[in-house]
Amino acid sequence: DAKTTQPPSMDCAEGRAANLPCNHSTISGNEYVYWYRQIHSQGPQYIIHGLKNNETNEMASLIITEDRKSSTLILPHATLRDTAVYYCTVLGTSYGKLTFGQGTILTVHP
Amino acid sequence: DVKVTQSSRYLVKRTGEKVFLECVQDMDHENMFWYRQDPGLGLRLIYFSYDVKMKEKGDIPEGYSVSREKKERFSLILESASTNQTSMYLCASGSSGHHRPYEQYFGPGTRLTVT
Repeated sequence: DAKTTQPPSMDCAEGRAANLPCNHSTISGNEYVYWYRQIHSQGPQYIIHGLKNNETNEMASLIITEDRKSSTLILPHATLRDTAVYYCTVLGTSYGKLTFGQGTILTVHP
Repeated sequence: DVKVTQSSRYLVKRTGEKVFLECVQDMDHENMFWYRQDPGLGLRLIYFSYDVKMKEKGDIPEGYSVSREKKERFSLILESASTNQTSMYLCASGSSGHHRPYEQYFGPGTRLTVT
């Protein structure tokens, strides 16, 4: 599975959009980009995934560059409850073993 | 909503004790996983199961065993607990997919301390 690189921390004002970048320059053609987050002392929570096209669900939007070497997770209107560690990971067509790097600590300020 | 529950949020055990961690999911998922999470080491897969009575070793199976007698339940067993098994243990479940990996749903975690 491809490795990912994320900034260690980011800040965002409440109500504003939070844009979290992820580099995955070694991604293969059949590998998907998955995003999870982990709020302190809780289990990770699935957010969204994508292969080539941009995706949107009730939690977030995922923008994948045309060359698929990077992506951005967008929380359109961040709230204090979005403060968490956000993990970007790449998965192939396997049983889906998850591995997380250090992730990005997102802090949403009032 | 998918619900994955774990038997305990916090557990304290003594070295040498046999420890059972239980996980139950209510979404009829084929796949279930046990991970441990440690600061600086990230998430590591211990064991997973893709069907009842089936199990596969993950990356760090030593010192652990698992049991899956029913589809909804996946148990992790520490045969003889040691201090280096102090960790956060996370159970997850997910569907099977032939064309892509499926999202996993996690339980709240069990913070195990072995003294």
